[in-house]
Amino acid sequence: RKEVEQDPGPFNVPEGATVAFNCTYSNSASQSFFWYRQDCRKEPKLLMSVYSSGNEDGRFTAQLNRASQYISLLIRDSKLSDSATYLCVGNAGNMLTFGGGTRLMVKP
Amino acid sequence: ETGVTQTPRHLVMGMTNKKSLKCEQHLGHNAMYWYKQSAKKPLELMFVYSLEERVENNSVPSRFSPECPNSSHLFLHLHTLQPEDSALYLCASSRGPGPTEQFFGPGTRLTVL
Repeated sequence: RKEVEQDPGPFNVPEGATVAFNCTYSNSASQSFFWYRQDCRKEPKLLMSVYSSGNEDGRFTAQLNRASQYISLLIRDSKLSDSATYLCVGNAGNMLTFGGGTRLMVKP
Repeated sequence: ETGVTQTPRHLVMGMTNKKSLKCEQHLGHNAMYWYKQSAKKPLELMFVYSLEERVENNSVPSRFSPECPNSSHLFLHLHTLQPEDSALYLCASSRGPGPTEQFFGPGTRLTVL
């Protein structure tokens, strides 16, 4: 079983829609979680950290569910510029483990 | 100065060539990383350096040889690579070697002929 698993998508949504991604992790001892965004042929960029209490940054909300071992990312009012691959990241000991990414395509 | 820089951005090399990838971070971080990203695969951690000391070597073939002369610079020396080594090689840095946020350079897209 992969340590961090994501639905690869693509998720095709119209502009203005709300879209949510889930990501499951296998290591129950994981403490640190992040969402990164990666545009085509570019490097991953940190989108937000995921805290136990959940956190929100503008149109983006991240939540952690320890009981079910998943984290989620909710994007409200999708913009064309949100089209990218979203990488879920957890830790295995001292190292970060990246999921394979979920591709989002926002269409006019 | 951009946080993490990498050179070259693109590299094409034959299987008998020797080349080096360079990474520099301007964030005052103490840990640096090399990752490999192949098409349709998750990022694979290759090496981790903390304060210039290698703390992780993730079963990487010896044809990849890292070097960290100081906490701001990281190199990846390449020799006798295989076509399956073609990938995007990403450098990252973080404040420390633990599970904290990492910041990535733009990557070197490597093609091995």
